[in-house]
Amino acid sequence: DAKTTQPPSMDCAEGRAANLPCNHSTISGNEYVYWYRQIHSQGPQYIIHGLKNNETNEMASLIITEDRKSSTLILPHATLRDTAVYYCIVRVNSGGSNYKLTFGKGTLLTVNP
Amino acid sequence: GAGVSQSPSNKVTEKGKDVELRCDPISGHTALYWYRQRLGQGLEFLIYFQGNSAPDKSGLPSDRFSAERTGESVSTLTIQRTQQEDSAVYLCASSRSGRAFGEQYFGPGTRLTVT
Repeated sequence: DAKTTQPPSMDCAEGRAANLPCNHSTISGNEYVYWYRQIHSQGPQYIIHGLKNNETNEMASLIITEDRKSSTLILPHATLRDTAVYYCIVRVNSGGSNYKLTFGKGTLLTVNP
Repeated sequence: GAGVSQSPSNKVTEKGKDVELRCDPISGHTALYWYRQRLGQGLEFLIYFQGNSAPDKSGLPSDRFSAERTGESVSTLTIQRTQQEDSAVYLCASSRSGRAFGEQYFGPGTRLTVT
């Protein structure tokens, strides 16, 4: 799986959009970008994933650059409960041992009142 | 619907004792995974079940660790002769299928402390 780089921490004001960047310059054509988050003392939670196109679900939006070397997770209206460590993972979507999730350090997002 | 559940939520044990950790996956999920997370660290893969079979046990750190799954449902992770370095949060996850990657749903974890 390609390596990802994320800032160690970010702050966001409650109610504002939180934009979390991820660099994955060595991503290959069949690798997807996945985002998980881990709220303190809880198990990780799947957020969203994408390949080329931008994706949106009830939790967040994922914007992937045209060259796919970076992406941004957007929480449109951050709440205090969104304070968590956010992990960007690049992986092949099928076959092999892709089921092993490998989390890096992630970004600690702190949403402030 | 019900998510992945794990028990106990916390376990304190003395060095040298055996412990059993339980995972109840989401109903109908054929794939089940165990991970370990030491304090301040990322997830460490332990074992993967597809149905009741474990095609990948490569992450088990030693022969003191074993796991089984029955009825394509409940899984038990057993650690024999626990050591202090076994102290960690043990996370279980399940997904609809392991062959084609899908999102993994995690339980709350069992925090194991070996004294």
